[in-house]
Order: sequence, then C-alpha cells, then structure tokens
Amino acid sequence: ETGVTQTPRHLVMGMTNKKSLKCEQHLGHNAMYWYKQSAKKPLELMFVYNFKEQTENNSVPSRFSPECPNSSHLFLHLHTLQPEDSALYLCASSQEPRGSSYNEQFFGPGTRLTVL
Amino acid sequence: KNQVEQSPQSLIILEGKNCTLQCNYTVSPFSNLRWYKQDTGRGPVSLTIMTFSENTKSNGRYTATLDADTKQSSLHITASQLSDSASYICVVSRGTGGFKTIFGAGTRLFVKA
Repeated sequence: ETGVTQTPRHLVMGMTNKKSLKCEQHLGHNAMYWYKQSAKKPLELMFVYNFKEQTENNSVPSRFSPECPNSSHLFLHLHTLQPEDSALYLCASSQEPRGSSYNEQFFGPGTRLTVL
Repeated sequence: KNQVEQSPQSLIILEGKNCTLQCNYTVSPFSNLRWYKQDTGRGPVSLTIMTFSENTKSNGRYTATLDADTKQSSLHITASQLSDSASYICVVSRGTGGFKTIFGAGTRLFVKA
C-alpha cells in the first residue's frame, strides 16, 4: 500500500445530504491534495494544503469544503451535491510542497462517490 | 496552452506481447515527466520519472523514453502480464512561473490470457 488511506471507499448520497470524505497519510508528508477523477478525463486538482494551510483552490464550487486539521489528515465535506459530481475522489500526499519539481505524490485508493 | 495528450485511449493485447503507449505534451517550461500506473479501484502509483536531460528510464518490464525536442514520451511494456491491466497516466510538471502538474487522460490497457 501507498501509506495513504481513504474512507469510505464507496459513498452513495442524495442531493440534499451532507457527508464527509476522510484521508489520512502515514508517511510524514507536509502537503496533501484532493483530486477529482471522472471517466475518460484527466485528474482534476481541487485543493492543495501545505503544512495545514490551503495554498490552492482550483475554482471548486462551494458545495465542496475541505478541512485540514493537521498534516496527516484531510477531509472533504460535501453538501447539496449534483449528479455531475459523481466521480472518484482521490487524496494524495507529498513530502515537499508542490513547488518542488521532483516531488512524487502518493495517492490513496479513492472514494467512489455517486450522487443520486 | 499546457496540455498532455495520450494515445491510444484504450488497448487490448495478448499476454506475453509487448506494447507501447504514447504521450505528447505542450507544457512549458518543462520540468519533469512521470508515468503512473492506476489499477482498478486504486490510486495511481509512480512508475518512472524523467527530467529534461534523461531520455530513457526503466523499471522492471517498463521502459519510458523522452524526447524533449519533439515533446513526446512513450512507455514500453515488455512481455506483458495479466497484472499489467490498468490505466497508465502521463503527468508533466512545469518548472517555473507557477509550478503546476498537468495530467493526461490515461491509456486503459487490457491484457488477455
């Protein structure tokens, strides 16, 4: 395994529900990321946290709310989602902030989200 | 515009055969290029990384090449195995002026017995 865990692995929710995705990394890394992966499309970077501070938000709708209480944990709070938000949500971590050119990101297994 | 294009979109080969996946990019300034393997139901895992000065890098049966002049990379898989069935994602990083990682859409490889 990569040292990055995500829960739940699968989630089905209605458009009016509120749910949260959890990510934990056991690698001692400083940076954590949320990505959205839709079928046949490239990974889309959503948020970047470096030393618990959000350093990047790629114009993500406010119905997605990230939280990073410490360098090992990252959450993605979901509310009033749309069916088009159904996708695989991947969490990743890296040792250095994204400004390091040779930085490798370690990905979790993802949460398969279905919005009904 | 910074883009990474991969081909083919999907590929079916017989076990034991070789195959080559392609990646073309327009990312500038170039810093490095990674190939990731993503098994079904799992996150991507890095296979190789190449910088501007490197034109080939191997990891077991996987060999990546890079031509920085034509902005093309390939991933060659030798003597394929059933476990090679996965998506292979090409990722290019910009070096300066706002560091950014650009992902390709991936090639879905199916290895049949």
